Parts: sequence; C-alpha cells; structure tokens
Amino acid sequence: SQKIEQNSEALNIQEGKTATLTCNYTNYSPAYLQWYRQDPGRGPVFLLLIRENEKEKRKERLKVTFDTTLKQSLFHITASQPADSATYLCASDGGATNKLIFGTGTLLAVQP
Amino acid sequence: NAGVMQNPRHLVRRRGQEARLRCSPMKGHSHVYWYRQLPEEGLKFMVYLQKENIIDESGMPKERFSAEFPKEGPSILRIQQVVRGDSAAYFCASSPPSPRVNTEAFFGQGTRLTVV
Repeated sequence: SQKIEQNSEALNIQEGKTATLTCNYTNYSPAYLQWYRQDPGRGPVFLLLIRENEKEKRKERLKVTFDTTLKQSLFHITASQPADSATYLCASDGGATNKLIFGTGTLLAVQP
Repeated sequence: NAGVMQNPRHLVRRRGQEARLRCSPMKGHSHVYWYRQLPEEGLKFMVYLQKENIIDESGMPKERFSAEFPKEGPSILRIQQVVRGDSAAYFCASSPPSPRVNTEAFFGQGTRLTVV
C-alpha cells in the first residue's frame, strides 16, 4: 500500500543552522508532495508543494527537493530560529480526489 | 475571510454516547475532507464530501461513523456509541469548488475527542 515515512526521532539543532528533514515514499509514485507545519494543539498549515517534474522549490528560508530516483523529498530550513520549532508533516496525493497521505511528522526543536 | 472553523475544540464523551463534530469550510469552499490523528500517528484520511454528496469514504470505519455535508450548514462527522479507541484529534480541511489538482489543503484547528 502507499506509504510515506518520516524520521520519527526529534531533530535538535542550534539556532542559525540549517535543518534538514527527510520524507520517503514507497509502493507508488506521487504526482506531488506537500509539506505542512503543525504546532501543538493546532491544525496543519501548508508550507510548500513540489511536483514530480520539479527538482527543487524555494520559499524564503524554506527549500524542498523531490528525487524520484531515491523516492525521497528533503525539506530544508536555513538560518533556523527558535520560532521554527514545530512538527513538520510530509504529505502526498492519494488519488484523483485530492485526499492526502501523511507521514507521521518530524519534531524540530531549534535551540537558542 | 475566516478560515476553516471547527467546533467544539474539545469534546468529552462517555463510552456508548454519540459524538458530533462540526466543520464550516472557508467562504467559497464547497469541498470538505475529514482526517483523524491518533497520538503518535500521522493524519489519516477518512472521508471527502461535496455539498450533499459523499465522494470518497474509503477511510471511514465501516460501523458507527458517518458524515454529511448538507446544502445548508456545516459538515458533520458523527460517531455513534463511542469507544476509548475513538479518542483522537479530528481535523477538517476544505478546498474551493472544482479543486485544481495539486492544490493545498486549508485545515481547521481540530476537535479533540476524549472518550472516558
């Protein structure tokens, strides 16, 4: 079955460093991948979308890559700040109805 | 433009009671998705509805769960005879009419259901 996997271990980094989060998919070829941010007790907030024919997408301090050979997406936050601390979710398309398949998320903690 | 509104934010039910979760999509949106998030797990798709139509219910449990999106009023996710395993955060997302492929989802803040 279609599966999205994210590193379940929390990622701890120092302020100012680049955070890199990984998303791997198996058993299918998604047309696109999306990244969301989720704060405790809140709903997910959309950050970036990258299509299968795009290698890289940027938005301010955020960068997403899509490697169809490795079946992997990387999500980078440059010049990280404590305010970037949150859980980051990777999601892919789940078929024609626009439903999303989510990974379990990776908790990022940026230390001042 | 108000975002996706869900209520209640927190709901406590005893085993065997019914839970009703409401979702009002963003203004102009006529497509609603329900997801469930269990502790330490990712969001799982449950159901996709348009006004007065269920489009995809492949993620809905076969029993006790139902959803509707009437012509007027919010979308309702109903759980009958709740059990402890139903305790989770339930999120609603909406999208505009005729959603383009590759579009972002707008999520509400969720309803946290606790079954005691």
